[in-house]
Amino acid sequence: AQKITQTQPGMFVQEKEAVTLDCTYDTSDPSYGLFWYKQPSSGEMIFLIYQGSYDQQNATEGRYSLNFQKARKSANLVISASQLGDSAMYFCAMNTNAGKSTFGDGTTLTVKP
Amino acid sequence: DTAVSQTPKYLVTQMGNDKSIKCEQNLGHDTMYWYKQDSKKFLKIMFSYNNKELIINETVPNRFSPKSPDKAHLNLHINSLELGDSAVYFCASSRLKDTGTRHNEQFFGPGTRLTVL
Repeated sequence: AQKITQTQPGMFVQEKEAVTLDCTYDTSDPSYGLFWYKQPSSGEMIFLIYQGSYDQQNATEGRYSLNFQKARKSANLVISASQLGDSAMYFCAMNTNAGKSTFGDGTTLTVKP
Repeated sequence: DTAVSQTPKYLVTQMGNDKSIKCEQNLGHDTMYWYKQDSKKFLKIMFSYNNKELIINETVPNRFSPKSPDKAHLNLHINSLELGDSAVYFCASSRLKDTGTRHNEQFFGPGTRLTVL
């Protein structure tokens, strides 16, 4: 069975500080992709960052980086220099070659001024 | 030049009615999905279609029937709507092949907020 676990229902961070959102996954498929999405209060799903299971290096996209530890099956999102606009729900997700797509329950991030 | 579009954006209807939500993608992707996001924001996959063929069908009531007339469209038809069907429904698309090696994120539509009264 395929599973994504986000253990932090809510997180707070001070503006301009870095924050790590946790994600662990489980799959028996050797080929998978891990994603992070941001969902602001307006409701749209915004793609942030992607990590392929065969990628050797951790993915980075601007202020977002993905701390991929394959042996531990973790794919934590690091947001550097938090901004007020980063306040949103964040979802970790996984796709496999079989077409299976699984999302975690999400983490609500609040950035404090 | 919208990548994934859904219509309608809002749908308010009475219990027992039948309704459809349309989804179109212009990204040339081969796989499309329907998700349901409930009031607690949990996002659950309902269906996956690859090249117009159903590949994943999660435990969804038979009242929900997806239809894919071509690779660019995946419509969701719901019969005999119930109060518990009220949710936001998201359509998404991606490239299925070479997952793990290629950058193939899912692009999401804007969502359809369904309210059943």
